[in-house]
Amino acid sequence: GESVGLHLPTLSVQEGDNSIINCAYSNSASDYFIWYKQESGKGPQFIIDIRSNMDKRQGQRVTVLLNKTVKHLSLQIAATQPGDSAVYFCAESGSARQLTFGSGTQLTVLP
Amino acid sequence: NAGVTQTPKFRVLKTGQSMTLLCAQDMNHEYMYWYRQDPGMGLRLIHYSVGEGTTAKGEVPDGYNVSRLKKQNFLLGLESAAPSQTSVYFCASSYNPETEAFFGQGTRLTVV
Repeated sequence: GESVGLHLPTLSVQEGDNSIINCAYSNSASDYFIWYKQESGKGPQFIIDIRSNMDKRQGQRVTVLLNKTVKHLSLQIAATQPGDSAVYFCAESGSARQLTFGSGTQLTVLP
Repeated sequence: NAGVTQTPKFRVLKTGQSMTLLCAQDMNHEYMYWYRQDPGMGLRLIHYSVGEGTTAKGEVPDGYNVSRLKKQNFLLGLESAAPSQTSVYFCASSYNPETEAFFGQGTRLTVV
């Protein structure tokens, strides 16, 4: 079945450095991918999305890269700030019309 | 804008009791989803709906039922609660599966 997984469960970065969070997916039919941010006690919030016909998409301080050859996507956060500390999830949607989530990466920004 | 609203926010149930979680969205979205999130884990899809009057099973549907009688509401029912259903439940909605899904703030359910 479909599955989405993450390489690392935790990531610590210094304030001001760039962060890279990785995600692997197994369903080659997936055609839409999203990154969500979840702060403690809150629901997931949309960060950025990308469709399978794209390799890269940029937002404000964030960039998502999609490598369909190896079924991998990443979220890059530039100049990481304390407010970026949260759990980050990748999610994918395909022909099953379900939005499937990975297990998450806890990002901690160190002062 | 209210977005996606879940009620209640917290609930404690005894084993065997039943309850219904309500999700309401005011964005005229067709798709609605119920997820559960256990500590240190991602969100697992319980049931979802692609429009008023429709429902479908997700990854972990056992022990839950849903209804979508009105487009704006998606109800999640537990007929006989079990301790294994202790979790945080999130509802979400979207225009379609290839657009951003908006989430509610969650319902923390404890079954004792």
